[in-house]
Amino acid sequence: AQKVTQAQTEISVVEKEDVTLDCVYETRDTTYYLFWYKQPPSGELVFLIRRNSFDEQNEISGRYSWNFQKSTSSFNFTITASQVVDSAVYFCALMRVNFGNEKLTFGTGTRLTIIP
Amino acid sequence: GAVVSQHPSRVICKSGTSVKIECRSLDFQATTMFWYRQFPKKSLMLMATSNEGSKATYEQGVEKDKFLINHASLTLSTLTVTSAHPEDSSFYICSARQDGDTQYFGPGTRLTVL
Repeated sequence: AQKVTQAQTEISVVEKEDVTLDCVYETRDTTYYLFWYKQPPSGELVFLIRRNSFDEQNEISGRYSWNFQKSTSSFNFTITASQVVDSAVYFCALMRVNFGNEKLTFGTGTRLTIIP
Repeated sequence: GAVVSQHPSRVICKSGTSVKIECRSLDFQATTMFWYRQFPKKSLMLMATSNEGSKATYEQGVEKDKFLINHASLTLSTLTVTSAHPEDSSFYICSARQDGDTQYFGPGTRLTVL
């Protein structure tokens, strides 16, 4: 069975601080995808990143960076110099890569509040 | 690119009526669409997966006759909540996927059943 754990339910940091959101996953598959989505107060889920299980390179996109470590089954997300607009619920998700079974398994989400 | 719309964004209806929610992929053809339900401060729960032109695949515990899904074209899927009751009140979100593996989500529909 697939499982995604986001142990941090809520995090609050002061603006301009760095913050890391943790994501730990469980799967028996050797091939899978990992995702991060952002859900601002308006409700829509915004796609942030997709990572293939064979690609362990860390990725940076502006103030966002992701650390994928297969050895610890973790896919952590860091926001550098946080801004108020970063306040949202962030979901980590796992997807199997089997024909006909490409469903997303979501974590429970981390509510991030950036304090001005 | 990869824009998904949902209509309506909010709907309030009386108990016993049916409500239809539309999900459209605006700038790509979606071979697969997904319907999720989200309770306040909770994660997303997959309800069903639909492929264009075929019957939807429902998750365990989701009533097929209550939540009717139609995926008539590569850009449109509809979810109809039949004989809605207050416990059906929730935030319903659809997503669409083209040939790749990334799901792009709609803005959601908040359903309130009185």
